[in-house]
Amino acid sequence: QVQLQESGPGLVKPSETLSLTCGVSGYSIRTAYYWGWVRQPPGKGLEWIGTMYHSGNTYYNPSLKSRLTISVDTSKNRFSLNLTSMTAADTAVYYCARHSGGYANFDCWGQGILVTVSS
Amino acid sequence: QSVLTQSPSASGTPGQRVTISCSGTSSNIGSNYVYWYQQLSGAAPKLLIYDSNQRPSGVPDRFSGSKSGTSASLAISGLRSEDEADYYCATWDDSLSGPVFGGGTKLTVL
Repeated sequence: QVQLQESGPGLVKPSETLSLTCGVSGYSIRTAYYWGWVRQPPGKGLEWIGTMYHSGNTYYNPSLKSRLTISVDTSKNRFSLNLTSMTAADTAVYYCARHSGGYANFDCWGQGILVTVSS
Repeated sequence: QSVLTQSPSASGTPGQRVTISCSGTSSNIGSNYVYWYQQLSGAAPKLLIYDSNQRPSGVPDRFSGSKSGTSASLAISGLRSEDEADYYCATWDDSLSGPVFGGGTKLTVL
């Protein structure tokens, strides 16, 4: 059974960088699939942040591209998100999820982590 | 502002059939499969329909999806109280080169 688990800080100060990690168990991220991040501001809808393939290829939402880096650590079977220059508008629940390339079929999700941007 | 358009709310009584719609464009729904997600309060989204009209194992056949042109629909028949949730449509957008979501529809079971 594939399981994803987000980890990282629940509180980030404005202008700082958010660093989140998604640990994957029950499946090797080197095997297949694309591994992505989706966020959901409180009371609002879902927004795709970005996706990576185990080869290191990354695909970013253009609205976040200038601030975003997604990387992979295949030896630890996990991938990470770095989002710089955080503002209150970045306050959201951040999910990691698995999908296929070219499809929006997120079939496995982490439980999500609430990140609040506040001084 | 979400790329895909959904009505913010829908409602029905137990046993009824309700339909949730999702509207897009030729660069997203018009040329790609549609996916539907159910999000119960406080939980992560769950894949409900894939490839526009297929159900993952374990999803009751009360849930069905369809797509026509640049629009898609999710139908729920035999409505139950446990169906009360937020429902999101999603698809790949060729212009964005990434997934896009609808704004979500909050389903209330009266």
